[in-house]
Formats: sequence, structure tokens, C-alpha cells
Amino acid sequence: DQQVKQNSPSLSVQEGRISILNCDYTNSMFDYFLWYKKYPAEGPTFLISISSIKDKNEDGRFTVFLNKSAKHLSLHIVPSQPGDSAVYSCAARGNSGGSNYKLTFGKGTLLTVNP
Amino acid sequence: NAGVMQNPRHLVRRRGQEARLRCSPMKGHSHVYWYRQLPEEGLKFMVYLQKENIIDESGMPKERFSAEFPKEGPSILRIQQVVRGDSAAYFCASSLGSPEQYFGPGTRLTVT
Repeated sequence: DQQVKQNSPSLSVQEGRISILNCDYTNSMFDYFLWYKKYPAEGPTFLISISSIKDKNEDGRFTVFLNKSAKHLSLHIVPSQPGDSAVYSCAARGNSGGSNYKLTFGKGTLLTVNP
Repeated sequence: NAGVMQNPRHLVRRRGQEARLRCSPMKGHSHVYWYRQLPEEGLKFMVYLQKENIIDESGMPKERFSAEFPKEGPSILRIQQVVRGDSAAYFCASSLGSPEQYFGPGTRLTVT
């Protein structure tokens, strides 16, 4: 049972345009959401996070939006750069058991930014 | 380098051998987590440790797998009598207890 879903395995955008990566979740007990970026043969790199009590968090070119009623979050990258090409994974903290430390990850979306 | 360190980066073991994976957390971090990633899957939580204590091992198989985080030295994930299904990338992360976890480069285990 996948509690965090990224339904798009891949996304391709032109340099300078906006990249929008989406993530859906099913567990309403999640209290924190994070986005990680991963290059092949490397570990995930933390990008940006958002608490469940907020609906938006911005850091430079990266903005995360959270829609709790829809159980949906998205990562916007503006403007996209070729160096942004990587796998982006959505993660959520906490579960119905009350533990507030384990992260549940989606399968990831491969973003390709074309020059 | 103040990041999370893992070694070895690649490990090849024959079926039935033991695998030991090491993780040194970021300086000042006392919370360590291990995750496993199978091909085409997302990372899956295995175990959460603080110094000398296992806090949650609910994601770790009951048999053959163990983890420790001693007072001195790195955290160790130990897999006894490895089988082909153990082949995966194993990632360690550390934190100060905040939601953000910082990951190491991973150990890619191949069981032949």
C-alpha cells in the first residue's frame, strides 16, 4: 500500500521554463513533507520542506505547495536549469502509529531539463 | 567533509556471507536512520537509532538483519547469510531530531 505516490515517472521541460512535480498522499497523519533530489549513484539531497500547518514554502527557485484537503503537494522550480535534471522524490514524515521520524518516500520523478 | 559518510560504497558478497555497512552521521547529529532502496522503488525505512539505543526497527526484517549505533564509532547495519534478494542500495541518514534528514551516498550491495 503506497502512502506516498508520484504518478509521473518522468517529466521533460525546456530550460528557463517552470517544472512542476506532483505528489499525492493518503495518510492524514503525516505532519511534514520534504522534497529530495537524487543523482545516479548518489544519496538523496534535501531540497525543501513544508509543515502540514502551512500551504506554501519558498526557497530561491524552489517552491512547495501543500493542499491538505486534496492530500496533494507539488514542487515548482522556476526557472528550470539543465543542472536540475535528476530524480525528485517526495517524502512524508510520521504515520498512523504516531511515530514522527520515519520518512515515507514516493518512487520519484525523473526530471530532464533540455537546453 | 561534514556530510554523512558511508562505507563501503560498493560491496559484493556471495550468498551466505555476512555484509557490514557503516555510517558516520553528520557532526553533531545523534539520530541515525537506515533506508533500503530496491530497483524501481522508493526508499523504505528500516531502522532508527540514537546513541546506544534502537528506537524503532519496525522496517527491518526480523531475521538476519541487525543494527547498532555504539557510543563510539559509526552505526553498523549487519546482514547475516545474505541472499540475492538483499541486493539493493542501503542509505543512511542523520538528523538533529528535526524533520530534515541528511543522507549519505549509499552502499550498493550485490549478492552473487
